[in-house]
Amino acid sequence: EIVLKQSPGTLSLSPGERGTLSCRASQIVSSSYLAWYKHKPGQAPRLLIYGASRRATGTPDRFSGSGSGTDFSLTISRLEPEDFAVYYCQQYGSSPYTFGQGTKLEIK
Amino acid sequence: EVQLVESGGGLVQPGRSLTLSCAASGFTFDDYAMHWVRQAPGKGLEWVSAINWNSRIIGYADSVKGRFTISRDNAKNSLFLQMNSLTPEDTALYYCAKESTLTMIVVGYFDYWGQGTLVTVSS
Repeated sequence: EIVLKQSPGTLSLSPGERGTLSCRASQIVSSSYLAWYKHKPGQAPRLLIYGASRRATGTPDRFSGSGSGTDFSLTISRLEPEDFAVYYCQQYGSSPYTFGQGTKLEIK
Repeated sequence: EVQLVESGGGLVQPGRSLTLSCAASGFTFDDYAMHWVRQAPGKGLEWVSAINWNSRIIGYADSVKGRFTISRDNAKNSLFLQMNSLTPEDTALYYCAKESTLTMIVVGYFDYWGQGTLVTVSS
């Protein structure tokens, strides 16, 4: 099973700032099969990025994903108020499909 | 508009069984694999199970293998999760999620999720 570790656990930033979230895998994620989701309390998770760097339909272009192998990141170029949430990375290169423990992005 | 509506959650005693349902609409259900993902209180997301379009490819997390059974009824646009031998560790919000990729197999990432149904296992 591939274990994903996200850092930091909590990221405190202000609207307009740039945020970078990290996701490190315990093994190589084949074909960069890595996705990022945004999750707000009481809402369904929302797919942001798949294939490590491809924006899902409706994802604003201030979100970008990068990385390969075992190291991946999600960058939000200019934080908007609606971006403050919990973010999860997920690998789907091999079953079981595992998630990171999440990074909480909070308003500073 | 894609909609996934879970039902069937509730309070159940340890060792008992429960069956969750997910009613899908707004897309061609039998074109896509489907998944169950859960979130225990205060914890992160955990993939539980997947089923491809024709039910010939099925997978489970180790934590539920042998106890949970996923199934689907394409005629009724419905997904199910039968949960047996429940333990307090199964307490979670259970989400139904749609596979993002139109494929005959299971790829494993999700473009639509339901709102979830809460399962509480306690005596």
